[in-house]
Amino acid sequence: GDSVTQMEGPVTLSEEAFLTINCTYTATGYPSLFWYVQYPGEGLQLLLKATKADDKGSNKGFEATYRKETTSFHLEKGSVQVSDSAVYFCALSPNQAGTALIFGKGTTLSVSS
Amino acid sequence: DGGITQSPKYLFRKEGQNVTLSCEQNLNHDAMYWYRQDPGQGLRLIYYSQIVNDFQKGDIAEGYSVSREKKESFPLTVTSAQKNPTAFYLCASRETGGGSPLHFGNGTRLTVT
Repeated sequence: GDSVTQMEGPVTLSEEAFLTINCTYTATGYPSLFWYVQYPGEGLQLLLKATKADDKGSNKGFEATYRKETTSFHLEKGSVQVSDSAVYFCALSPNQAGTALIFGKGTTLSVSS
Repeated sequence: DGGITQSPKYLFRKEGQNVTLSCEQNLNHDAMYWYRQDPGQGLRLIYYSQIVNDFQKGDIAEGYSVSREKKESFPLTVTSAQKNPTAFYLCASRETGGGSPLHFGNGTRLTVT
């Protein structure tokens, strides 16, 4: 079945460092792909999305490109801030009506000043 | 503002008692979902509903029940049959079109002792 694999954390960075969180997926057809962020004690917030190959989603300095050839959707940010410390989830929506999103296990990011 | 409201934020119950978690949305979304989140395990799908008066089991439905009598509401009951009910529960909704993102509530943390 469809699945999402993302790099295990925690990821620990200094402020202004470059961030990459890897995400790869297995799916039939052409799923939509998402990154969500979760701050402590809260629900998940949509960070960015891409719905077809070569699409680039971007928001708040974060970017991810839908790579069909490598089945990947890696999250990047050029310069992280302390406020970016959170858990990041990669997810896919299968290209079938009536199905739920499938999530990776999450990657914890900790940024220190 | 449109959104998803989960209540209460914290819930405590004794073992052997059933408990119902509330989820209300005013986004006019047809589809609603319940996920369970445990440390290190990401999000696991409990139940979902694509339309009023219809719902489907997710990956971990045993020990849970739901109803969908109104479009806006999708309550989850954690029964005494659920072996490990202590967890963080997240409700979400989305439009039924392909590629639509999930919108999440802020979650309910259930502790059963």
